Amino acid sequence: DTGVSQDPRHKITKRGQNVTFRCDPISEHNRLYWYRQTLGQGPEFLTYFQNEAQLEKSRLLSDRFSAERPKGSFSTLEIQRTEQGDSAMYLCASGQTEDNYGYTFGSGTRLTVV
Amino acid sequence: AQSVTQLGSHVSVSEGALVLLRCNYSSSVPPYLFWYVQYPNQGLQLLLKYTSAATLVKGINGFEAEFKKSETSFHLTKPSAHMSDAAEYFCAVSGLSGGYNKLIFGAGTRLAVHP
Repeated sequence: DTGVSQDPRHKITKRGQNVTFRCDPISEHNRLYWYRQTLGQGPEFLTYFQNEAQLEKSRLLSDRFSAERPKGSFSTLEIQRTEQGDSAMYLCASGQTEDNYGYTFGSGTRLTVV
Repeated sequence: AQSVTQLGSHVSVSEGALVLLRCNYSSSVPPYLFWYVQYPNQGLQLLLKYTSAATLVKGINGFEAEFKKSETSFHLTKPSAHMSDAAEYFCAVSGLSGGYNKLIFGAGTRLAVHP
């Protein structure tokens, strides 16, 4: 197992375009999390899944954001009609239900909206 | 409001000196506490975690942290800084108002190590 993988590592897009990011968690992990990190700040929780069920969404996740985990394995995060304020590092993490003792993070996808 | 506070957004030490990065939290329930390190353009790597066992927790790369309930603190220390320790460090907590299902992070402390 190579850990949590995120693709792409970097994405530059024009304002108004849609973007989609992918996260592949550690295979035996049933929980998957998305966080957003803006420059100079700590990561902020966006949403998490247990298997394929999306159990919690932050108020940070506006209507333009949608996340899916259709088969309980990989997840996608889509941002529609991107805005410059969406520029950030999007981090994915995975963990086990039985283990609230921290999660394994991926290397992130850095989004730049121009 | 329940939160995580990291005192000092930038800390600078000499190589070989003590590293002390401060973290305080506010919580009405026993929290789980974590320290993560982030190198430029990379994700977060877990350094250590406190999960209601021993209050002095040892982590990777020679770091350790002590949970002090009376002070609501979880400061990170390392006896002797190495150049490779230069990075951003985040304190995180679960078990605050949002429950144990997610982490709440501090704003981070950037550690610089000078020769």
